[in-house]
Amino acid sequence: NAGVTQTPKFQVLKTGQSMTLQCAQDMNHEYMSWYRQDPGMGLRLIHYSVGAGITDQGEVPNGYNVSRSTTEDFPLRLLSAAPSQTSVYFCASKPPGTDNGYTFGSGTRLTVV
Amino acid sequence: AQRVTQPEKLLSVFKGAPVELKCNYSYSGSPELFWYVQYSRQRLQLLLRHISRESIKGFTADLNKGETSFHLKKPFAQEEDSAMYYCALKAGGFKTIFGAGTRLFVKA
Repeated sequence: NAGVTQTPKFQVLKTGQSMTLQCAQDMNHEYMSWYRQDPGMGLRLIHYSVGAGITDQGEVPNGYNVSRSTTEDFPLRLLSAAPSQTSVYFCASKPPGTDNGYTFGSGTRLTVV
Repeated sequence: AQRVTQPEKLLSVFKGAPVELKCNYSYSGSPELFWYVQYSRQRLQLLLRHISRESIKGFTADLNKGETSFHLKKPFAQEEDSAMYYCALKAGGFKTIFGAGTRLFVKA
């Protein structure tokens, strides 16, 4: 199993550009989430999904869209990038169950200039 | 409000000394708590879960509902324990909320 795969690993965008961060998992996990990691603020939940076709907002959803057309994929779209979206983005997945922790991807470091 | 607080951004201890990373939570329901660790250049990974009452790499954490705490402890720190540690709360439904993290630095 590859686990959780995120692409790209690094990206620089200009303000106003759009892009999609890709996330795929091959563990048949139902739950998937996107977090952003900022210094001093830990990980903040952007969006999450409990299964194909079902998504919901987390703590900081503004400026981001998600979709979940398959169990495997959970892409995160930045509609119009802003410098405040400069961050490290992590995708994570987990199977159902009350005490199963998340499996994380390696992260995408995004810089918006 | 659902919240996880890790009051220390940085904790520095000598090798062989005891270490305690503090975590306090705010949650009205029955909490499910976790500790995650991120070693240098590695992915964030689950360290332990309160529901399992396990000891991983010498670390333990006890849920204290009266003090709303879930502190991570190890009696004798090792250099390889140097990492970023995150406390996390499963806040009902399918959300998991993370604290801001504590960087542990174990000095030789």
